[in-house]
Amino acid sequence: ELKVEQNPLFLSMQEGKNYTIYCNYSTTSDRLYWYRQDPGKSLESLFVLLSNGAVKQEGRLMASLDTKARLSTLHITAAVHDLSATYFCAVDMDSSYKLIFGSGTRLLVRP
Amino acid sequence: SAVISQKPSRDICQRGTSLTIQCQVDSQVTMMFWYRQQPGQSLTLIATANQGSEATYESGFVIDKFPISRPNLTFSTLTVSNMSPEDSSIYLCSVRTTTNLLAKNIQYFGAGTRLSVL
Repeated sequence: ELKVEQNPLFLSMQEGKNYTIYCNYSTTSDRLYWYRQDPGKSLESLFVLLSNGAVKQEGRLMASLDTKARLSTLHITAAVHDLSATYFCAVDMDSSYKLIFGSGTRLLVRP
Repeated sequence: SAVISQKPSRDICQRGTSLTIQCQVDSQVTMMFWYRQQPGQSLTLIATANQGSEATYESGFVIDKFPISRPNLTFSTLTVSNMSPEDSSIYLCSVRTTTNLLAKNIQYFGAGTRLSVL
């Protein structure tokens, strides 16, 4: 059974600080997704990582994928309040195109 | 990108009743999925909606409780049957087009249906 684990589950950080969210998964997969969810809203796609060593950046967020370690990271640089949301990683389950989600990391950026 | 319309956006239902949720996509898509997000939780895959045939359910979900239809490549419905308060969740439709090389790795989500069962 594919398991996807995120940590931390909750992160409270001050504006301007840096931090990393970790996503571990239990089976071989080379497709890893990061989504953002604002309260009461649906999911917004942030990054799609398709190969070992992939790195993508958008604004203050940078995602990377290490398929050998079965690990993806979402790094936040100089956090701002607008980044407060819940972040999910998800992994494709074999070749079925079904996404299995991590538990989510609720991020709160304090002034 | 695919634009997904889900109806209703929210509903409050009585125990023992059923609710059908509709998912309409603005273009033909290969894969359609239904997810459940319980309050404060992550997303759990309910089933894959297969066009013209029975849906494929994940462990813990059964057709009698969550019947799904997919009559064509742009539309699907999920019914939550004989509801109880434990069914209170957000139900999300999700789509992917696997035949398009550029788009096959992008999965879109609808806005969700927020269901409360009293």
